[in-house]
Amino acid sequence: EIVLTQSPGTLSLSPGERATLSCRASHSFRNSYIAWYQHKPGQAPSLLIYDTSSRAAGTPARFSGSGSGTDFTLTISRLEPEDFAVYYCQHYGGSILYSFGQGTKLEVK
Amino acid sequence: QITLKESGPTLVKPTQTLTLTCTFSGFSLSTPGVGVGWVRQTPGKAMEWLALIYWDDDKRYTPSLKNRLTITKDTSETQVVLRMTNMDPVDTGAYYCVHRPAVATLKHFDYWGQGTLVAVSS
Repeated sequence: EIVLTQSPGTLSLSPGERATLSCRASHSFRNSYIAWYQHKPGQAPSLLIYDTSSRAAGTPARFSGSGSGTDFTLTISRLEPEDFAVYYCQHYGGSILYSFGQGTKLEVK
Repeated sequence: QITLKESGPTLVKPTQTLTLTCTFSGFSLSTPGVGVGWVRQTPGKAMEWLALIYWDDDKRYTPSLKNRLTITKDTSETQVVLRMTNMDPVDTGAYYCVHRPAVATLKHFDYWGQGTLVAVSS
C-alpha cells in the first residue's frame, strides 16, 4: 500500500507569488499515475493534472506537475485570487486502487 | 457535458445502512473502460476512495471497507448505487460520485459530483 504525504499542510502566500506543493509517496512506483485535484469549499473537486504532468482540459498554464519515483510536485507559477483552495494528490495502483494525500491548504497571506 | 449528482439521506443512525444514488448524464456506462465510483471526505481520513464499478460490471472496493460496501448499476445504466452497512459516527462526511475516463491508461477521476453530506448520529 502506497501512502501519500503532502507538505506543507498549509501554505500561506500572496497573489502573484509562486506556489510549490509536495506529494511524497511511501515507496517508489514505476507508473506515472499521479493526479492533482483542486477543491474549493462548497464545490466539487476538480481535476488539474493527471499522469504526473498532463494538464486536464481547462487547467490554466500556470499550473504544472512534475516528479518521479517518490517525489511529486504541483507548481503554480503565479498565484491568482481564485487559486486559493485545498489541493490533493492521488495515486493509482496497489491494493487500494486510488489513494489520496491528506491535502495542502493554500491560503492568502 | 458530463454531470453527476449524488442523492441520499443526510442523517442515518449508527448501525443503519446508508444508500446513496449517483445519477449521471453525458456518458454511457456501457462504453468500454468507463467507470463510476465513490470517494468520501471525512474529518479523520480526508479523501478516501470507496468503490468503483466498470462498464462490464466489474467492481472494486477499498480493502478496509470491502465487507461493508456494495456498488451496483441499475438496468437503465444512468444510476449507480452505493450501499454501506453498519454505519458509525466516524463515517460522517461528504460523499462524492466520480467518473473514471474510458481510456484504460487514464487512472484518475475527471468529473466529480457536488457531493452529499451524511451525518451518522443517534
